[in-house]
Amino acid sequence: GAVVSQHPSRVICKSGTSVKIECRSLDFQATTMFWYRQFPKQSLMLMATSNEGSKATYEQGVEKDKFLINHASLTLSTLTVTSAHPEDSSFYICSARVGLAATYEQYFGPGTRLTVT
Amino acid sequence: AQSVTQLDSQVPVFEEAPVELRCNYSSSVSVYLFWYVQYPNQGLQLLLKYLSGSTLVKGINGFEAEFNKSQTSFHLRKPSVHISDTAEYFCAVSDFPHGGFKTIFGAGTRLFVKA
Repeated sequence: GAVVSQHPSRVICKSGTSVKIECRSLDFQATTMFWYRQFPKQSLMLMATSNEGSKATYEQGVEKDKFLINHASLTLSTLTVTSAHPEDSSFYICSARVGLAATYEQYFGPGTRLTVT
Repeated sequence: AQSVTQLDSQVPVFEEAPVELRCNYSSSVSVYLFWYVQYPNQGLQLLLKYLSGSTLVKGINGFEAEFNKSQTSFHLRKPSVHISDTAEYFCAVSDFPHGGFKTIFGAGTRLFVKA
């Protein structure tokens, strides 16, 4: 099956710094990628939808200036958490979509654990 | 907008017993429905999905789910669970085409299989 990778798997950063998380579709081209955030023992909350070559669409309540998303190619999307604070500590998961209608598939990356100290 | 309700936050069950994890959704249009499993500190793995056709969907690891449009439900079942099935299970809905393929997740159900 299709594989989505994320890098890094874990990152610890100091408050006030920025951190970039990469999401790659390894063996397919993804026109759309999604970024989710998951707090401990909670569900995944959709943060934004990213289409290759265009600006990301953010969900209500998600600060676009804080969570910068770049989808530069059909295989790479990045999430940059700017001026991170401890409350940004979370598990970030990306997902890539292929196909439409009956062939719809969505593949998830393994996640990135961000800890802001 | 669509929403997903998983009725049980935790389901303890003994090994080799059957299990049902309940999921209800709301949407004004046609939906795609999914069940995912998440093991600790890992991403999500697709168990099964309903896009169209037969309402009984069979997935991996012996799981199956039945789409019931009148009851807006998509309950997940397995006739005999194993210790290795202990994990978090998420029901999800994608509101095609109006939802733009955004997948919304339920709160999750923690399945705990006891020996």
